[in-house]
Amino acid sequence: DVKVTQSSRYLVKRTGEKVFLECVQDMDHENMFWYRQDPGLGLRLIYFSYDVKMKEKGDIPEGYSVSREKKERFSLILESASTNQTSMYLCASSSPWANQPQHFGDGTRLSIL
Amino acid sequence: KQEVTQIPAALSVPEGENLVLNCSFTDSAIYNLQWFRQDPGKGLTSLLLIQSSQREQTSGRLNASLDKSSGRSTLYIAASQPGDSATYLCAVRPSDYKLSFGAGTTVTVRA
Repeated sequence: DVKVTQSSRYLVKRTGEKVFLECVQDMDHENMFWYRQDPGLGLRLIYFSYDVKMKEKGDIPEGYSVSREKKERFSLILESASTNQTSMYLCASSSPWANQPQHFGDGTRLSIL
Repeated sequence: KQEVTQIPAALSVPEGENLVLNCSFTDSAIYNLQWFRQDPGKGLTSLLLIQSSQREQTSGRLNASLDKSSGRSTLYIAASQPGDSATYLCAVRPSDYKLSFGAGTTVTVRA
């Protein structure tokens, strides 16, 4: 079974802090994704990566950056956290083939105070 | 831009009744369509994936159909149980890697 592991289930940080969210997958997937999920807005793609050191902006990249130094690990960075970044953050991974699903982690509930 | 709509937004049924969840999308140029389940406060669990060349997929009590030309998919859950209570999301994958998600249907199965 594919395992996507997010480092924290719950996280509380203060405004202005630099925040790191970590995600690790164990299936050697090329593609990795970061989403945020908010009530009434659904899932929105922040960034995705299709290979080591490669990244592309999603629909809402402002205020975020990412890092993918190793194939299995994809990090989301909030450069200077703000209260409007309080949300549920979901990491996913997949192979590039059309017949393969995206697999998600359990999510990180991030609160910025 | 691909838009994905799920109707109804919420559904409540008695245990044992069959569930029918609908998903529609505006652009028929897709690689696949995926159905997910999400429990409160948790991540998404992949249920079924239908490739664009397929008409349906089945897994246990779950059956998903795809009519690409009309931009519709339906998820059927037979003989519902209280444990089926969750939010169900559909997502379509166009030509690149990204998924476009619907807002979900929240299902409550009453014992």
